[in-house]
Amino acid sequence: GAGVSQTPSNKVTEKGKYVELRCDPISGHTALYWYRQSLGQGPEFLIYFQGTGAADDSGLPNDRFFAVRPEGSVSTLKIQRTERGDSAVYLCASSLGGGNQETQYFGPGTRLLVL
Amino acid sequence: KQEVTQIPAALSVPEGENLVLNCSFTDSAIYNLQWFRQDPGKGLTSLLLIQSSQREQTSGRLNASLDKSSGRSTLYIAASQPGDSATYLCAVYSGTYKYIFGTGTRLKVLA
Repeated sequence: GAGVSQTPSNKVTEKGKYVELRCDPISGHTALYWYRQSLGQGPEFLIYFQGTGAADDSGLPNDRFFAVRPEGSVSTLKIQRTERGDSAVYLCASSLGGGNQETQYFGPGTRLLVL
Repeated sequence: KQEVTQIPAALSVPEGENLVLNCSFTDSAIYNLQWFRQDPGKGLTSLLLIQSSQREQTSGRLNASLDKSSGRSTLYIAASQPGDSATYLCAVYSGTYKYIFGTGTRLKVLA
């Protein structure tokens, strides 16, 4: 079946603008995760959804970042007043139920460049 | 706080060599450890998942071992090929919904 998909694959924006990044998880997966990968680094956790609710948003760096998953499937990561330091690859992952023994399946990521 | 370290940061080997990538973590209370491959400009591909109760996992030319008590894992790649060139990431899961990743080893296999 289809894997995790993310759109757009690349996004270039100007400092101060608002951006939305979309994630389509694997069908039937209730758990969804967002990570951010800066150049030369490993991915870092941002937020975890179980169904429609954000079960853990401790990784969001500040209140300019917000994510939603209104119907428990597609998720949107929203960044307000973008800064150059927000430039990174934003990765989405999903797993079947969020259990401790499960694999998280990662999407291809969205490469965000803030000029 | 869990920290994951990968050594070496970069590795260049001739085709056909067997090689070992290392991963260490500071907190041994993990549920599982996963090795990923990342090609330039691409997302993550899971290679091997080792549960905390397991010592190793094998897939084709890849073998990953886990020594939870010492906080170490190794990824062994046999008979390396140019197509193995990529960044290899180690990630540990401690039951807090998030994987903690190392910074990766950039592997280049020369033809």
